[in-house]
Amino acid sequence: QSVLTQPPSASGTPGQRVTISCSGSSSNIGNNGVNWYQQLPGTAPKLLIYSNNQRPSGVPDRFSGSKSGTSASLAISGLQSEDEAGYYCEAWDDSLNNPVFGTGTNVIVL
Amino acid sequence: QLQLQESGPGLVKPSETLSLTCTVSGGSIGSSSDHWGWIRQPPGKGLEWIGSIFHGGSTLYNPSLKSRVTMSVDTSKNQFALKLTSVTAADAAAYYCARRRLVAVAGPVHAFDIWGQGTMVTVSS
Repeated sequence: QSVLTQPPSASGTPGQRVTISCSGSSSNIGNNGVNWYQQLPGTAPKLLIYSNNQRPSGVPDRFSGSKSGTSASLAISGLQSEDEAGYYCEAWDDSLNNPVFGTGTNVIVL
Repeated sequence: QLQLQESGPGLVKPSETLSLTCTVSGGSIGSSSDHWGWIRQPPGKGLEWIGSIFHGGSTLYNPSLKSRVTMSVDTSKNQFALKLTSVTAADAAAYYCARRRLVAVAGPVHAFDIWGQGTMVTVSS
């Protein structure tokens, strides 16, 4: 039931900037805030960005989020090896009346 | 600091009922500002929201699972639970419990801000 579409993978070398997209519709991203989660290998997801562009305490400012229309983006600047993980967007869907997750993007540090 | 811990059988037979419990420590499950959810992740796949339970016990379930899911809360034990009936191999996954909290008044926006470590459930006879 993934109604939010993400690219399966993204990659970059250390120090580079990587951007991940999350495409939705007017019933979810277009009308509601977007959250992003980071899932390191073998661990539970962790809230990384909330309400489009807000960072919880402790999240490095290398991570930033943005939203435009029915799409959102997560950017990782100054990519580090420890950023190799899965990243998921999430938003409330007004039509389904429940939260929906993106398909997920694996970030690979080359 | 609030922590969540899932518990339950790691192996369930096909057609039987999967039962998991999430124990909340370091805080109260009875807070009216929080609600609690279950999310699962099949091996190598993405996250799927299963359902949420709110203050007072009301529930909201994923439409694709609604006919098989029941969630409940026991405030005296600071726990909430998940039952999924008639399981098949497609239900094999890591199951996570998480707190969903209001994170931004403008919107408003809620997010799963605290997660349990997850528990892997295998479906096999």
